[in-house]
Amino acid sequence: GNSVTQMEGPVTLSEEAFLTINCTYTATGYPSLFWYVQYPGEGLQLLLKATKADDKGSNKGFEATYRKETTSFHLEKGSVQVSDSAVYFCALSLSSNTGKLIFGQGTTLQVKP
Amino acid sequence: NAGVTQTPKFQVLKTGQSMTLQCAQDMNHEYMSWYRQDPGMGLRLIHYSVGAGITDQGEVPNGYNVSRSTTEDFPLRLLSAAPSQTSVYFCASSGRGAYEQYFGPGTRLTVT
Repeated sequence: GNSVTQMEGPVTLSEEAFLTINCTYTATGYPSLFWYVQYPGEGLQLLLKATKADDKGSNKGFEATYRKETTSFHLEKGSVQVSDSAVYFCALSLSSNTGKLIFGQGTTLQVKP
Repeated sequence: NAGVTQTPKFQVLKTGQSMTLQCAQDMNHEYMSWYRQDPGMGLRLIHYSVGAGITDQGEVPNGYNVSRSTTEDFPLRLLSAAPSQTSVYFCASSGRGAYEQYFGPGTRLTVT
C-alpha cells in the first residue's frame, strides 16, 4: 500500500543548528510530495512541495528534494530558529483530483535559544 | 476570506451521544476532507468529497457519516460516540487540480 515514514521525534536543537528530518515513502505510481508544518494550537500549513522526481521544494529557508531512486523527501534547513519549533509532517498525494493526502506520523522539533 | 472554519473548538461527549462537527470554507474549493490526528499516527483520512453531492470513504470511516449538500459546507457526524473517537479533527479544502490543502484550526473531541 501507500505510506509515508518519518524519523522518530522529538528532535531538539540549539538555535542556528542544521536540521534534517528524514522522510521516505512507498507509493504506486508517481506521487507528489509535501511537507506541512503545525505550530502549537493551530492547523497545518503547507511548507513546501515537489510534484516530480528531482524537483526541489523550498520555502522560509527549508528545502527538500524529491529523490525517486531512494524514495525519499528529507527536509533540511541550514540554521534553525526558535520560531521553527513545531510539528512537521511529510505527506504524499497520488492525484491532484481528489484532495487526498497520506501523512507520516509527524516529527516534533524543539529549538532552544 | 475566513478560509476554512471549524466549530466547535472543543467538545466533550459521553459514550453513545451523537454530534456534528461543522466545517465551512469560503474559497469555492471543490475538494474537502476530514482527518483525525492521533499521537504518533499523523493524520488519517476519514471521509472526503470531490464536489457537492459526492462523498467517499477514507482510511478510517467507521463510526462517522458525512454529506455535502453545498460547496461551502462539509459536516462530520458522529453517530454514537466511543472513547476511541477521542482525537483532534481537522477539516481541509483544496481547489480542483491544486495540490495545496488549506486546513481549519481543528476540533478537539474527548469522549468519556
